[in-house]
Amino acid sequence: KQEVTQIPAALSVPEGENLVLNCSFTDSAIYNLQWFRQDPGKGLTSLLLIQSSQREQTSGRLNASLDKSSGRSTLYIAASQPGDSATYLCAVWGYQLIWGAGTKLIIKP
Amino acid sequence: DTAVSQTPKYLVTQMGNDKSIKCEQNLGHDTMYWYKQDSKKFLKIMFSYNNKELIINETVPNRFSPKSPDKAHLNLHINSLELGDSAVYFCASSQGGKGQPQHFGDGTRLSIL
Repeated sequence: KQEVTQIPAALSVPEGENLVLNCSFTDSAIYNLQWFRQDPGKGLTSLLLIQSSQREQTSGRLNASLDKSSGRSTLYIAASQPGDSATYLCAVWGYQLIWGAGTKLIIKP
Repeated sequence: DTAVSQTPKYLVTQMGNDKSIKCEQNLGHDTMYWYKQDSKKFLKIMFSYNNKELIINETVPNRFSPKSPDKAHLNLHINSLELGDSAVYFCASSQGGKGQPQHFGDGTRLSIL
C-alpha cells in the first residue's frame, strides 16, 4: 500500500533563502508525481508534474526532482518570496492518487 | 472563465440534513473527481467519473452519491449528514484518468452543527 510522507510538516524561513521540501513514497511503481500548492481557503494549484521516466522538472524558480529507486522527490524553491507562503503537497500516481499531508511554508519578509 | 467551479463555497447545516455540492468544469476534460480533505489536511479520493461512468469508488459511506448529468458536471449529494462529514470537499478534473494532471476547484467547506 502506497504511503506518501512529507517532511517537515512546517517550515519558516527568511525571504530570499533557497529551500527544499521533501516528499517520500513507499512504492516505487508509480506513473508520475505531482507537486501542488494550496493557499488558505483556496483549491490546489498544480506546480510541476514529473513522469516516472524523468529525473526533474523546472518552472521558473521551482525545480522538482524524482528518484524512484529511493522513493524520494524534492521541490527546490530558489530566492523565496513572501508570496511563496502556502502549503505544498505532493501526490503520487500509482494504482491511485495518494497524497502527502503537505508542508506549510512561511516566508518571513 | 473559472476552470473548475464549485458551489457553494461554504455550507453550514445540521446533522441529519441532506445537501448537495455542485461542480462544473469548462476545460473539456473527460474525468472528474471528488476529494475529501480532513482536519489533518490529508486528501482522500472519494469518486472519479470518466465520461459519466464511475471508475473509482473508494470506501465511502453510501450516504454519499455522485451524480454526473454530463461530462462537464459532477455533483455530490450527501444524505443524513453526520458530524464526521465536516471537512473541505474538492472537485477536480483531468483529461484522461490515471497519471494525468488534475485541476482543482476552490473547495467547499462543510460544517455540521
